[in-house]
Amino acid sequence: KQEVTQIPAALSVPEGENLVLNCSFTDSAIYNLQWFRQDPGKGLTSLLLIQSSQREQTSGRLNASLDKSSGRSTLYIAASQPGDSATYLCAVTGTASKLTFGTGTRLQVTL
Amino acid sequence: SQTIHQWPATLVQPVGSPLSLECTVEGTSNPNLYWYRQAAGRGLQLLFYSVGIGQISSEVPQNLSASRPQDRQFILSSKKLLLSDSGFYLCAWSIPGDSPLHFGNGTRLTVT
Repeated sequence: KQEVTQIPAALSVPEGENLVLNCSFTDSAIYNLQWFRQDPGKGLTSLLLIQSSQREQTSGRLNASLDKSSGRSTLYIAASQPGDSATYLCAVTGTASKLTFGTGTRLQVTL
Repeated sequence: SQTIHQWPATLVQPVGSPLSLECTVEGTSNPNLYWYRQAAGRGLQLLFYSVGIGQISSEVPQNLSASRPQDRQFILSSKKLLLSDSGFYLCAWSIPGDSPLHFGNGTRLTVT
């Protein structure tokens, strides 16, 4: 059974800092990995999707990497802003297009 | 462009009452559809997924059921709600294959 872990559970950084969020998974037989953002009381917004054959994806200030063999992914956020404050979740897609989610990292970017 | 609609946004129901949450997707055909539940302080739990009309797969034994009467409509139901059914319910869709998952805005269900 796939298990996805995200560390740290919560993180507070001052505005302007670069930061890294971590995601690990136990079964390397995945099709892709996605990073999502969730604002309080809202649904999830897809940020980046990395195919199993890819090593990284970039979108603006976000960069996600994938090391499938070691079961790890990182989400790098450059020059953090208060608007980046949210919970970030990673999810891996296994068989039958089913995703397994981590429990998320709650990020707060302070002024 | 594709959009997903989920309603209602919030719902308060007494124990033992029925439930019906609806989700519709526009702008795409034959999507994969999903119902997730997010309990306080816990991750997202996949409840049901569907790859086509009338095709429903259940992930966990529970008090809920799902139906897909039309290609882009997914309904989550219960005949009698339990206190433990409280949570944040999210509908999602994806294009079959390697594509991102897109979520609705969720329904906050409180069973009293």
